[in-house]
Amino acid sequence: EAGVAQSPRYKIIEKRQSVAFWCNPISGHATLYWYQQILGQGPKLLIQFQNNGVVDDSQLPKDRFSAERLKGVDSTLKIQPAKLEDSAVYLCASSLEISSQPQHFGDGTRLSIL
Amino acid sequence: AQSVTQLDSHVSVSEGTPVLLRCNYSSSYSPSLFWYVQHPNKGLQLLLKYTSAATLVKGINGFEAEFKKSETSFHLTKPSAHMSDAAEYFCVVSEGSGPYTSIFGTGTRLKVLA
Repeated sequence: EAGVAQSPRYKIIEKRQSVAFWCNPISGHATLYWYQQILGQGPKLLIQFQNNGVVDDSQLPKDRFSAERLKGVDSTLKIQPAKLEDSAVYLCASSLEISSQPQHFGDGTRLSIL
Repeated sequence: AQSVTQLDSHVSVSEGTPVLLRCNYSSSYSPSLFWYVQHPNKGLQLLLKYTSAATLVKGINGFEAEFKKSETSFHLTKPSAHMSDAAEYFCVVSEGSGPYTSIFGTGTRLKVLA
């Protein structure tokens, strides 16, 4: 089966610019997650969707980050405006069940802020 | 409050020798515990999970982990290291039923020497 697809793989922008990441989960997976992984740290959950609804976004910096999953399939994570501390790998994951720790992750988007 | 500590940031072993990656946790409840592996420039892959069933958990690729409540540990082991095991390993503790209640450790980088 096809895995979790993410694009782009790499992105370099200047601070205060905007950027968007795209994720397509495994077919049939209702739950989708976005994680932020800063260099040298473990991933941190930003937001979790169940179909097109938000389950938890308590760690999402809502003043600059937004995410949507309008049709309950693919998802977009946006940062506007970007700060230097947003440099990280952004990982998308999906799972069949809402309560499970995700099993399937994409390869991530590495974001560098200049 | 829960926490997780991976005791070694780097571990080096020779191919064919045993692997031990150490993880200690702190939790006010009976936690679920997980191990993930992350190969360079790749997403995370779930190796195994403990959810209050058998204390010795077998995972993929020959890895296993033992939950020891008295020692608050969940160490990851493998009898014989393979070159393909070289990667970053993350221990995760979760007190609830969803990923928004989970905390990732800071990771252990495993190096396998030929």
